[in-house]
Amino acid sequence: DIQMTQSPSSVSASVGDRVTITCRASQASSRWLAWYQQKPGKAPRLLIYAVSSLQSGVPSRFSGSGSVTDFTLTISSLQPEDFATYYCQQATSFPLTFGGGTKVEIK
Amino acid sequence: QVQLRESGPGLVKPSETLSLTCFVSGDSITNYYWTWVRQPAGGGLEWVARFHASGTADYNPSLLSRVTVSVDTSNNQLSLKLTSVTAADTAVYFCAREVVVPGAYNYGMDVWGQGTTVTVSS
Repeated sequence: DIQMTQSPSSVSASVGDRVTITCRASQASSRWLAWYQQKPGKAPRLLIYAVSSLQSGVPSRFSGSGSVTDFTLTISSLQPEDFATYYCQQATSFPLTFGGGTKVEIK
Repeated sequence: QVQLRESGPGLVKPSETLSLTCFVSGDSITNYYWTWVRQPAGGGLEWVARFHASGTADYNPSLLSRVTVSVDTSNNQLSLKLTSVTAADTAVYFCAREVVVPGAYNYGMDVWGQGTTVTVSS
């Protein structure tokens, strides 16, 4: 199994801050890496697919990058609606696996 | 606009079989792959299975001996069965549409249901 390790597990930030979340794969991963946002009591929402492609309707302040084993989600200017938990997910091989999540909290 | 809605029993006794249904509206289920993901309270996301109406299915090895997925194309709905449940199967279960062509591309799980909560308890 490809293990996905996210860091940090939580981050406190203010509106307007730049936030970076890292996801490290336990083995080389293809470009089939996605990022999801989840708010309490809600389903996950796809933000980024194929490492860096922005899902339709997602604000451009979200961006993704990386390759091989190290991937990053960046929020360029944090907005009030961005306080949530973020997950990475690999689709290189079965079983599909998610990172443990990063909770973005209000500072 | 595609919408998914999960339905389930809410409460299941240990050792019994959990049966869930995902109703799909707005598109034919034959056009995509579909995925079940579960999430224990306060926990992370766990992939359960991915399948296609053609019969192709992939399962999480940790659940392989207990899980079965199926598709009812006439009613445009998906089903998940999990046998011999324990408290560890207590979770919110989500169905999602996955935009994938195996071997070619994977564009993620772009549409999700709201989830259905399953509690395993006697």
